[in-house]
Amino acid sequence: GQNIDQPTEMTATEGAIVQINCTYQTSGFNGLFWYQQHAGEAPTFLSYNVLDGLEEKGRFSSFLSRSKGYSYLLLKELQMKDSASYLCAARGNGQNFVFGPGTRLSVLP
Amino acid sequence: DVKVTQSSRYLVKRTGEKVFLECVQDMDHENMFWYRQDPGLGLRLIYFSYDVKMKEKGDIPEGYSVSREKKERFSLILESASTNQTSMYLCASSRQRGYGYTFGSGTRLTVV
Repeated sequence: GQNIDQPTEMTATEGAIVQINCTYQTSGFNGLFWYQQHAGEAPTFLSYNVLDGLEEKGRFSSFLSRSKGYSYLLLKELQMKDSASYLCAARGNGQNFVFGPGTRLSVLP
Repeated sequence: DVKVTQSSRYLVKRTGEKVFLECVQDMDHENMFWYRQDPGLGLRLIYFSYDVKMKEKGDIPEGYSVSREKKERFSLILESASTNQTSMYLCASSRQRGYGYTFGSGTRLTVV
């Protein structure tokens, strides 16, 4: 079957670094996406990994290990506006995405 | 910027009513999707479409149908609304299969 797992909630302090983990099981693998969703708003695209390794984009980085079925999103220099849910989504052979339950991140002053 | 517009942000409907949720995208995307989002369950795919007049069932199609008469518009229909269909409904589009999605702002539907 297909399954995505990520922590439900995390809390971190402004200015800190936080790592949100995601493990996935899909029929085949054709990429992993991370989305950010603020409360009451649409998810917005953050990053995409299809090869092993780290993709860096400003304060946000995403890592993928295909052999371990594992990804993480790393957020540096946390700001209050980073308080949101972070959705991990994997694409299998079927070309559609399977989404995880989302991790709600709270950034405290 | 690609825009995906959902016609209503909030809807309240009665059990048994027929409900239409409309979604329009303005960037000529081939693919459109309807998801529902529930706490702890994440986004679950209801229906999707890779072309005009084409539709495919997702993971939870029961109680729903869709219509795609024009490329830019993808409608979700609840034939007879039930309380377990109370949820946030998200429409998304993508340029090609497997590309990242652009989501609409969502419709929060409450069935009473």
